[in-house]
Amino acid sequence: SAVISQKPSRDICQRGTSLTIQCQVDSQVTMMFWYRQQPGQSLTLIATANQGSEATYESGFVIDKFPISRPNLTFSTLTVSNMSPEDSSIYLCSVTLGATSTDTKYFGPGTRLTVL
Amino acid sequence: AQTVTQSQPEMSVQEAETVTLSCTYDTSESDYYLFWYKQPPSRQMILVIRQEAYKQQNATENRFSVNFQKAAKSFSLKISDSQLGDAAMYFCAYRSGGGGADGLTFGKGTHLIIQP
Repeated sequence: SAVISQKPSRDICQRGTSLTIQCQVDSQVTMMFWYRQQPGQSLTLIATANQGSEATYESGFVIDKFPISRPNLTFSTLTVSNMSPEDSSIYLCSVTLGATSTDTKYFGPGTRLTVL
Repeated sequence: AQTVTQSQPEMSVQEAETVTLSCTYDTSESDYYLFWYKQPPSRQMILVIRQEAYKQQNATENRFSVNFQKAAKSFSLKISDSQLGDAAMYFCAYRSGGGGADGLTFGKGTHLIIQP
C-alpha cells in the first residue's frame, strides 16, 4: 500500500487568488491523478500528472486554470488559479502502484477548499 | 465515454442485516475494471473491492461481495452482517483496461445509513 499526504488539509481563500496543493507519497508510484469532489457530489478526474512532462487534462479542465507539476515519482502539485466560489471543493490526489492490470488506486485525505 | 450510474442516493439498513447497493455502467470496451470505494465522514477514500471484467467469478472481501453481470453491465455490492462502521458514502467506479494509466470514472454515490 501507499501512504499519501496532502497539504494543506483545508484552506479558505479569497476570490481571484491561487492556491497550490501538494501531494506526497511515501514510495515511488507509477501514476498520479488529481480529482475534484464538489459539495455533495462524486469525484471527477481533473488530470493525470505525468512525471517530467505536461499533465494530461480531462475534458472541461485546462492547464491555465489547474496547472500541475510532477517533478519526481513521489510528489505532485495542483494549483487552483484565479479562484471563484465555484472552485470550492475537495481536491484529492490519487496514485497507482505498479504498472500491471492488477494495480490498485489509493487516495490521499483530500484538501477542502472554500473560496469566498 | 464511459458512464457509471448509481440509482440509490441513500440506503438504510439495520445493523447485522444485509444490504445491496446498485451500480450500472455503460461502455463499449471489453477490457475494464470495476471498483467500489467507501468514503466515511473523514472523506478518506477506501477501496472496498475490485472486479476485473475478464473474470467470471464474483469478487469477495470478507463481508463484501459483488454481483457482476457483464452482459447487463451491472455491478452491485452486497454488504453482509452490516456494522455501524460501514456507514459511509459508497462510490462505484470504472476504469479502462491496459494498466493503471487511466483515471477512474465514478458514479454519484450512495449514502449508506446503518441503524442500530
